[in-house]
Amino acid sequence: GQNIDQPTEMTATEGAIVQINCTYQTSGFNGLFWYQQHAGEAPTFLSYNVLDGLEEKGRFSSFLSRSKGYSYLLLKELQMKDSASYLCAVMDSNYQLIWGAGTKLIIKP
Amino acid sequence: NAGVTQTPKFRILKIGQSMTLQCTQDMNHNYMYWYRQDPGMGLKLIYYSVGAGITDKGEVPNGYNVSRSTTEDFPLRLELAAPSQTSVYFCASTTGESSPLHFGNGTRLTVT
Repeated sequence: GQNIDQPTEMTATEGAIVQINCTYQTSGFNGLFWYQQHAGEAPTFLSYNVLDGLEEKGRFSSFLSRSKGYSYLLLKELQMKDSASYLCAVMDSNYQLIWGAGTKLIIKP
Repeated sequence: NAGVTQTPKFRILKIGQSMTLQCTQDMNHNYMYWYRQDPGMGLKLIYYSVGAGITDKGEVPNGYNVSRSTTEDFPLRLELAAPSQTSVYFCASTTGESSPLHFGNGTRLTVT
């Protein structure tokens, strides 16, 4: 079967750095997405990786290793507004998105 | 631009009732999707459409129906509501398969 694994919950301190991991086993691979979802709101797009390596976008970076079936989202200079769930989603060989359950990130002052 | 608009925001249904969740987008996107989101689980695809007049089943289509008569609108129909359909429903659209999804604000549905 197809599976996406992410930690259920993480806690970090304002101003610090946090890395949220995502491992996947899917039928084929056509890209990996990260979305942010604040409580009670819709998911919003953060990043897309289809080739191995690091993609940097401001305070957020996303890394992909296709051979290891692994990605991480790196958040720097954490702010209270970064408290949210972070969803990892992989596009399989049929271009269907397989979603992880999300990682709830709690930021403490 | 409004983006993706979903109505209603909240709804309570009794078992056996029917309803339609409305979704419209003004971005001229061909691809549209309906997902449900349950606590502790990933988004599950109910139905999707790659263009007007074309719809296809996703992972969890039972108990639902859709239509796509125009590019803009993609309503989701629930027939004979069941408690298992209590969930948050999101409509999303995109320009292409490898492009980011734009989500509506969701509909929180409770079936009692």
